[in-house]
Amino acid sequence: SQQGEEDPQALSIQEGENATMNCSYKTSINNLQWYRQNSGRGLVHLILIRSNEREKHSGRLRVTLDTSKKSSSLLITASRAADTASYFCATDTGRRALTFGSGTRLQVQP
Amino acid sequence: NAGVTQTPKFQVLKTGQSMTLQCAQDMNHEYMSWYRQDPGMGLRLIHYSVGAGITDQGEVPNGYNVSRSTTEDFPLRLLSAAPSQTSVYFCASSPHADEQYFGPGTRLTVT
Repeated sequence: SQQGEEDPQALSIQEGENATMNCSYKTSINNLQWYRQNSGRGLVHLILIRSNEREKHSGRLRVTLDTSKKSSSLLITASRAADTASYFCATDTGRRALTFGSGTRLQVQP
Repeated sequence: NAGVTQTPKFQVLKTGQSMTLQCAQDMNHEYMSWYRQDPGMGLRLIHYSVGAGITDQGEVPNGYNVSRSTTEDFPLRLLSAAPSQTSVYFCASSPHADEQYFGPGTRLTVT
């Protein structure tokens, strides 16, 4: 079974709006990462948050981590049509390879 | 740097055939991994390696073999292809098992 599960599975918003995606996981982690995948392409790393961090920012991205609830959220502010993609959370449980969730498909309408 | 390269981009196999998916990276990364992605799903880990000569199984290793004779290369072998192995295969590398760098993928169809 998947370690991480994203919610919602799909999200459609208008350009300029904020998009929030959530990820829940099951076991203790060293870090949690978010990746973006454009249709038919490989994954691109967006941001990493370590287990002792609660919030991290990178440009228009804001990630939070609540280890007590085993959950994380990714906020994309002021979304653009180019943000249309699938977004995956991935957890590092110390096995030196990541475990991915099933992803959130984000559609940003121009 | 070319980053992570994968060949071929597309492949069609008949059931029972064998083949090797190639993966190479020029970033001198210790960690390399193979994942498969089925339609509408996330990535599932097949095998991974923490350095030359060291490999380990992931979540879905059955039907696949790997070896790591050099830091640069991490081929994935399908011994006897089955329709259930129809998928997109991604190779990734990482310097510290943190941020992973992904290749463009190989789309495999088994008929």
